[in-house]
Amino acid sequence: SQTIHQWPATLVQPVGSPLSLECTVEGTSNPNLYWYRQAAGRGLQLLFYSVGIGQISSEVPQNLSASRPQDRQFILSSKKLLLSDSGFYLCAWSVLDSPLHFGNGTRLTVT
Amino acid sequence: GESVGLHLPTLSVQEGDNSIINCAYSNSASDYFIWYKQESGKGPQFIIDIRSNMDKRQGQRVTVLLNKTVKHLSLQIAATQPGDSAVYFCAENSGSNYKLTFGKGTLLTVNP
Repeated sequence: SQTIHQWPATLVQPVGSPLSLECTVEGTSNPNLYWYRQAAGRGLQLLFYSVGIGQISSEVPQNLSASRPQDRQFILSSKKLLLSDSGFYLCAWSVLDSPLHFGNGTRLTVT
Repeated sequence: GESVGLHLPTLSVQEGDNSIINCAYSNSASDYFIWYKQESGKGPQFIIDIRSNMDKRQGQRVTVLLNKTVKHLSLQIAATQPGDSAVYFCAENSGSNYKLTFGKGTLLTVNP
């Protein structure tokens, strides 16, 4: 069966520091991969999605970037965090005709 | 802005009652809809989905109804249990690669 791993679960970082969140998927090949952000009390905002290695589409221009160095690995990065980057970051995967499946998220607090 | 919205931000029910969570969407081109359940501190969990060529789909204790005429989606939970307490999101897909648009969510609280 397919599983998705996301780490770390929680992270506290100072303003101006770099960020790297990693997500890996097991049990499937060539998945679509996604990064979402969820602000407190709000819905999910799509940040990036990828349909293949090295292919990244950005939905919202901001202080973040994404990379897909391997088929089942998706990384969310920032060179310098802002206070407004705080939130709950969710990685998800899907394949043809299947719904999105989410990881358990990373709670990022920028101080 | 978001094209998917929810009628009620919170819903409180008694254990054993049936729950109905509603969702409105505005994009008539949307052809796939999903309900997710999100417990505190966790990622959204898939509950049930429905395609636009269907009006109703049933799962275990859950039923999704789709009314394309008024662009309305609902999730019915039968015999609601305390473990059903969570935030429920509806989502729609009107494009490729399953780029879903999510509503803000409804908090369901089940009272024992």
